[in-house]
Amino acid sequence: AQTVTQSQPEMSVQEAETVTLSCTYDTSENNYYLFWYKQPPSRQMILVIRQEAYKQQNATENRFSVNFQKAAKSFSLKISDSQLGDTAMYFCALREYETSGSRLTFGEGTQLTVNP
Amino acid sequence: DTEVTQTPKHLVMGMTNKKSLKCEQHMGHRAMYWYKQKAKKPPELMFVYSYEKLSINESVPSRFSPECPNSSLLNLHLHALQPEDSALYLCASSQDRERSYNEQFFGPGTRLTVL
Repeated sequence: AQTVTQSQPEMSVQEAETVTLSCTYDTSENNYYLFWYKQPPSRQMILVIRQEAYKQQNATENRFSVNFQKAAKSFSLKISDSQLGDTAMYFCALREYETSGSRLTFGEGTQLTVNP
Repeated sequence: DTEVTQTPKHLVMGMTNKKSLKCEQHMGHRAMYWYKQKAKKPPELMFVYSYEKLSINESVPSRFSPECPNSSLLNLHLHALQPEDSALYLCASSQDRERSYNEQFFGPGTRLTVL
């Protein structure tokens, strides 16, 4: 069965600095997708960034980028120039291509606080 | 319109009440999902509808009854709930359930309290 592990329950960073959230996963499939979702306090969950396992190039979206290490099954999220609005719970999620159907397997989440 | 809406935002109900949660999307998505989320925990999948048919039921107790009247609407009927069912109930949709790269769009949730 697939698993997703986020080993940092809480992190904090100063505004304008860079922070990296870690995520490791386990899957027996070769083709899958990885996602980082952000859930701000009392606001809805939104997709931050998505990575396809068969693509070697790391995905980037403005200030957000990932370091995808397929062999190590690692998928970390780097947030550059942190802003107060980045304060949120961040969930790493895995979706297998063949066996999981619609299921997203989430990690336990990392609560990120950006301090002024 | 890239929005999933949910009503009501908050709901307080007794253990003998019957109530319903509503979810709506107008993005033409054909897969819709119900999740349950406890505080500071990830969402747990409850049900998946694909082309208005129930395709996944994650062994959810029968006091939760989903319904998909059409491709834009998803309901969750609640009856005889327990206090431990208090949680944030999230609805999500995606273009379909077959393509794994498809993003799931989440609604803001209904915060349910069972007394």
